Amino acid sequence: EVQLVQSGVEVKKPGESLKISCKASGYSFTNYWIGWVRQMPGKGLEWMGIIYPGDSDSRYSPSFQGQVTISADKSITTAYLQWSSLKASDTAMYYCARWRGDGYYFYFDSWGQGTLVTVSS
Amino acid sequence: DIQMTQSPSSLSASVGDRVTITCRASQSISSYLNWYQQRPGKAPKLLIFAASSWQSGVPSRFSGSGSGTDFTLTISSLQPEDFATYYCQQSYGNPYTFGQGTKLEIK
Repeated sequence: EVQLVQSGVEVKKPGESLKISCKASGYSFTNYWIGWVRQMPGKGLEWMGIIYPGDSDSRYSPSFQGQVTISADKSITTAYLQWSSLKASDTAMYYCARWRGDGYYFYFDSWGQGTLVTVSS
Repeated sequence: DIQMTQSPSSLSASVGDRVTITCRASQSISSYLNWYQQRPGKAPKLLIFAASSWQSGVPSRFSGSGSGTDFTLTISSLQPEDFATYYCQQSYGNPYTFGQGTKLEIK
């Protein structure tokens, strides 16, 4: 069974750094893309970016390029999303999800439970 | 970016009703369209990919159709557990944008 287990709630101050995690199990971690989705309070879903743990190839949405860093450690089958300097506008729920496809059609087929990040002074 | 527009934004319906949600892309995306369901306080769940293919385990009352710019998600007979928010997503090009969501509420 595919499982994605995310790290817990974070409360941070503006300007602080943060790295949240997503531990994958039940499948070959290096053979699938894994991505991150933002959901701001009361709002919809936003695709942030994906990484291929096999070779660390990453793709970002232009809206998030330079704002966050997506990484992965294949030795512990864990993906990460990090910020170097948080803003209040980063307050949101963040989901990791496996980006699966057959080479043509891609989709998020398994999701983590979400990590709530609150940034407030 | 490809813009995805869902209609309606919200919808009230009763158990047993047939419901259709529409998603329109700002340019042709062939069949590169996914549908997700999100219940309150939960992570999204994949229902349909490639416009009309069922994800494993999804009830057959959910169906998807369309290609090009216009797509629909149909629920043939609403069940109590179907009251949730539904999102479409295009997988044609980066960024792989979502629609704004359609909230399905109990009448």
